[in-house]
Amino acid sequence: QQQVKQSPQSLIVQKGGISIINCAYENTAFDYFPWYQQFPGKGPALLIAIRPDVSEKKEGRFTISFNKSAKQFSLHIMDSQPGDSATYFCAASRSGWNFGNEKLTFGTGTRLTIIP
Amino acid sequence: SAVISQKPSRDICQRGTSLTIQCQVDSQVTMMFWYRQQPGQSLTLIATANQGSEATYESGFVIDKFPISRPNLTFSTLTVSNMSPEDSSIYLCSVERASGGTDTQYFGPGTRLTVL
Repeated sequence: QQQVKQSPQSLIVQKGGISIINCAYENTAFDYFPWYQQFPGKGPALLIAIRPDVSEKKEGRFTISFNKSAKQFSLHIMDSQPGDSATYFCAASRSGWNFGNEKLTFGTGTRLTIIP
Repeated sequence: SAVISQKPSRDICQRGTSLTIQCQVDSQVTMMFWYRQQPGQSLTLIATANQGSEATYESGFVIDKFPISRPNLTFSTLTVSNMSPEDSSIYLCSVERASGGTDTQYFGPGTRLTVL
């Protein structure tokens, strides 16, 4: 019930192409879905997040698509650049009863490489 | 966002010894979290540390092995006790802070621990 499944494990995309990373969850109580970007030797950094009241959220070249009925969400990186090469983690949590969100459940990560 | 620092950034330790990792946040936060990230793996939550109360540990993690202190709203420590090579990991602290109308987790840069 607490798992978040992420695919693919690794991804190689040509510069300028679209990178797509998929996640699926089981717990229908989850209502917060962030994506984190992690460069080698650094901590994860929040990239973009979505709540299930919308089906899509776009910030610059990054878009989250959310399918509540299928319990799936995905990250799309448009016009992928070599600087986007990093590991990406999806995550999910549910709203806490008194403040904030409850603990995040992370996907297994996708190592993205953008080649020139 | 949140500015989070961790000390040390990395360390190499001998089996059987203990290491205390410090986490400092730029302003007061209620919830702080400690994660472990083994090489090439996802993030695993060790415990949640709220100021003024005992830390809450996740399944598989115990206070004797990973004692946590939370003396105030901007600081926490995690001790890795009686270390073995299996404890070699990156240890990350994170905090939850309101951002854009929702509560978001921000991560520190991590402490890379190698146990010989």
